[in-house]
Amino acid sequence: DVVVTQTPLSLPVSFGDQVSISCRSSQSLANSYGNTYLSWYLHKPGQSPQLLIYGISNRFSGVPDRFSGSGSGTDFILKISTIKPEDLGMYYCLQGTHQPWTFGGGTKLEIK
Amino acid sequence: DVQLQESGPGLVKPSQSLSLTCTVTGYSITSDYAWNWIRQFPGNKLEWMGYINYSGSTSYNPSLKSRISITRDTSKNQFFLQLNSVTTEDTATYYCAREEYEYYFDYWGQGTTLTVSS
Repeated sequence: DVVVTQTPLSLPVSFGDQVSISCRSSQSLANSYGNTYLSWYLHKPGQSPQLLIYGISNRFSGVPDRFSGSGSGTDFILKISTIKPEDLGMYYCLQGTHQPWTFGGGTKLEIK
Repeated sequence: DVQLQESGPGLVKPSQSLSLTCTVTGYSITSDYAWNWIRQFPGNKLEWMGYINYSGSTSYNPSLKSRISITRDTSKNQFFLQLNSVTTEDTATYYCAREEYEYYFDYWGQGTTLTVSS
């Protein structure tokens, strides 16, 4: 299975900060057609996970533009600018290139 | 609006089978896409379990392949998870989710907590 490693595990922030979360895979997530299936999710307590970014950098419908994704191959970044209270929670990346799909271990965005 | 809702027994004894239901509203599960089960263990690790797609084909995580079955009732727009021979390690929150063609999950249920305990 592809191992997906997220860092950091915890990210203390102040509102208005800009932060980055890293997601690294044990093998390239580009398939033979050059497509890369890497997505990002936010999971708030008591809610279902919500899709933020798909295909490395495409924002899902309704996701604010302060969320952005980048990367290629084995290294990917989720950047959040101007953090707001509603951004707090657990962030996960998911690789959908190699079966079985695998998630990163999560990054907890919390207030300082 | 697409909505998914899980339901299940809440508590299952070790060695028994668990059965969960995902009821989908706002979209027919036979129209398109893949319909998945994902679980989150205590400690927050997420595991993809498997799916049944719009045509009825299934795919399972090899780590579960001998114990898992995903089926559906198209007349009720529901799909189901059966996991056999459960142990305490199957204690988790179980989510159903729709998988888009570019291999991401765009709609999720609220989750149902399952505890395996005697």
